[in-house]
Amino acid sequence: RKEVEQDPGPFNVPEGATVAFNCTYSNSASQSFFWYRQDCRKEPKLLMSVYSSGNEDGRFTAQLNRASQYISLLIRDSKLSDSATYLCAVMGRGSTLGRLYFGRGTQLTVWP
Amino acid sequence: DADVTQTPRNRITKTGKRIMLECSQTKGHDRMYWYRQDPGLGLRLIYYSFDVKDINKGEISDGYSVSRQAQAKFSLSLESAIPNQTALYFCATSDPGLASYNEQFFGPGTRLTVL
Repeated sequence: RKEVEQDPGPFNVPEGATVAFNCTYSNSASQSFFWYRQDCRKEPKLLMSVYSSGNEDGRFTAQLNRASQYISLLIRDSKLSDSATYLCAVMGRGSTLGRLYFGRGTQLTVWP
Repeated sequence: DADVTQTPRNRITKTGKRIMLECSQTKGHDRMYWYRQDPGLGLRLIYYSFDVKDINKGEISDGYSVSRQAQAKFSLSLESAIPNQTALYFCATSDPGLASYNEQFFGPGTRLTVL
């Protein structure tokens, strides 16, 4: 079983729409979670960290559900510039502390 | 100036050739990582190093080797390249001393094609 599972999409939404991505993880002891954004042929860049029950940054909200072992990313009022691939990542625990396990990425296209 | 640099940015080579990909960082981070990315498979960890004397295998280390020459340099070698090693390779760094110590900072990537 993979450490992190993520719906690859693609998601195609109009400007102004709200879109949500989910990601499940297998290690119930995991403590640190992240969302990265990756533009086409570019390197991933940290979008948000999720350390507790969730956090918000402008139009972006990241949530964590420990009981069901999933994290989500909500994007409100989508912009054309939000088009990218969104990768979830989970920090390892114990002997794998310091390693990040990435999902496959979810591709988002926002159209005018 | 880029904090994490990778050379070369693009490389086309032939099966059986030895290839070295280099990563340098000016961030002063102790931890460095090598990933490969294939379409539909996300990022997979090849090797990682938590300091100059520490080297660890990741998920897919077979066919690869690494060298941590200094805190700032971490090289990835393909001893005998094969076509299924065609991928986009990323180097990354992190620093456990930072408040956001889990964040990894990625280089721009090296696109490798093995014919």
